[in-house]
Amino acid sequence: EDKVVQSPLSLVVHEGDTVTLNCSYEVTNFRSLLWYKQEKKAPTFLFMLTSSGIEKKSGRLSSILDKKELFSILNITATQTGDSAIYLCAVGSGGSNYKLTFGKGTLLTVNP
Amino acid sequence: DSGVTQTPKHLITATGQRVTLRCSPRSGDLSVYWYQQSLDQGLQFLIQYYNGEERAKGNILERFSAQQFPDLHSELNLSSLELGDSALYFCASSASDLNTQYFGPGTRLTVL
Repeated sequence: EDKVVQSPLSLVVHEGDTVTLNCSYEVTNFRSLLWYKQEKKAPTFLFMLTSSGIEKKSGRLSSILDKKELFSILNITATQTGDSAIYLCAVGSGGSNYKLTFGKGTLLTVNP
Repeated sequence: DSGVTQTPKHLITATGQRVTLRCSPRSGDLSVYWYQQSLDQGLQFLIQYYNGEERAKGNILERFSAQQFPDLHSELNLSSLELGDSALYFCASSASDLNTQYFGPGTRLTVL
């Protein structure tokens, strides 16, 4: 059974701190790894990673995938209160039966 | 706004009943995915359709079924509802498997 594990489950930081969120996975026929941010509504897409070692960056957020060690990290620098959300990691796997398996998420709270 | 629409936003019904949730994908997207999100289970993949055909099946109960119509909108049918079916049901769409999935706002189902 495909498995995606995120850590920590929750994290409380102060504005301006840097955080690192972790995602490890065990899936059959890995195809992609995605990060989403979920506030009080639907998940919104952040990054998709398919190749190992390539860093994707968008403003203060960045992510890297290690396909050998089967994990990814999401970094957020200079955190702001608006970064408070649940961050979801999902792994796409399978051939003709492609599917996404989600981790349970990391709840990030950024205090002023 | 992701471009994916879902109706209704909220649905309250009784055990044993049947409901239909509707999803319209983003313009041009051929794939539609259905997810269930509950507090204890996190986000669970239910089923995927691609251009009218079932493409992948996840943790979907036999009481649940879905279809995608020629105009690419999709419906998720939930029957013989139980209290445990109360959850947020998301629809997502993508151009193809390795493209990003964009989520709709969700339908909150409450079974009393």
